[in-house]
Amino acid sequence: AQKVTQAQTEISVVEKEDVTLDCVYETRDTTYYLFWYKQPPSGELVFLIRRNSFDEQNEISGRYSWNFQKSTSSFNFTITASQVVDSAVYFCALSEDGGATNKLIFGTGTLLAVQP
Amino acid sequence: DTGVSQNPRHKITKRGQNVTFRCDPISEHNRLYWYRQTLGQGPEFLTYFQNEAQLEKSRLLSDRFSAERPKGSFSTLEIQRTEQGDSAMYLCASSDAGTGWNEKLFFGSGTQLSVL
Repeated sequence: AQKVTQAQTEISVVEKEDVTLDCVYETRDTTYYLFWYKQPPSGELVFLIRRNSFDEQNEISGRYSWNFQKSTSSFNFTITASQVVDSAVYFCALSEDGGATNKLIFGTGTLLAVQP
Repeated sequence: DTGVSQNPRHKITKRGQNVTFRCDPISEHNRLYWYRQTLGQGPEFLTYFQNEAQLEKSRLLSDRFSAERPKGSFSTLEIQRTEQGDSAMYLCASSDAGTGWNEKLFFGSGTQLSVL
């Protein structure tokens, strides 16, 4: 069965600290896609990144970076020098049908609270 | 680009009543998705449309739920004979399949349903 596990329910950091959000997935598909979405208090999920199963290259976008490791079935997300505006729930997700559509299986999310 | 719009933002109803939600996707997007999110959980896929065709429904979608997307534009999600277990945030999202951008879902702010 396909599954996404985000073991960290809540994380609290002080502004400017680095923080890593963990994501572990299970799938039998050889082709799949992984995603991270951010859900701020307003409720609207915002796309952050998509990564396919053939591309294990790490990615950096500004203060955000992602570490994809197929050997450990993990797709972790790091925020460098966190800011108060980063406070949100972050969801990791896995495509249910090999990426043909956006039928996604979401994890339970990690609530990140960045204190000033 | 006005984003994905959902109405109403909040709906309170009594058990047994019927409710209908509306979603207006981004105008050029041909795919539209409905997800459901309960407190402390990630969104769960319900159904999706490619233009006006409903291509897939989750087993979560009981026969009390029906969704339509007439003319491939806005979509409605109706719940008949609501039950307290239907209380959740109902999220709509859209994407533009076929141009290489179907990996990016644009979500609305959701309709929060409370069944008393």
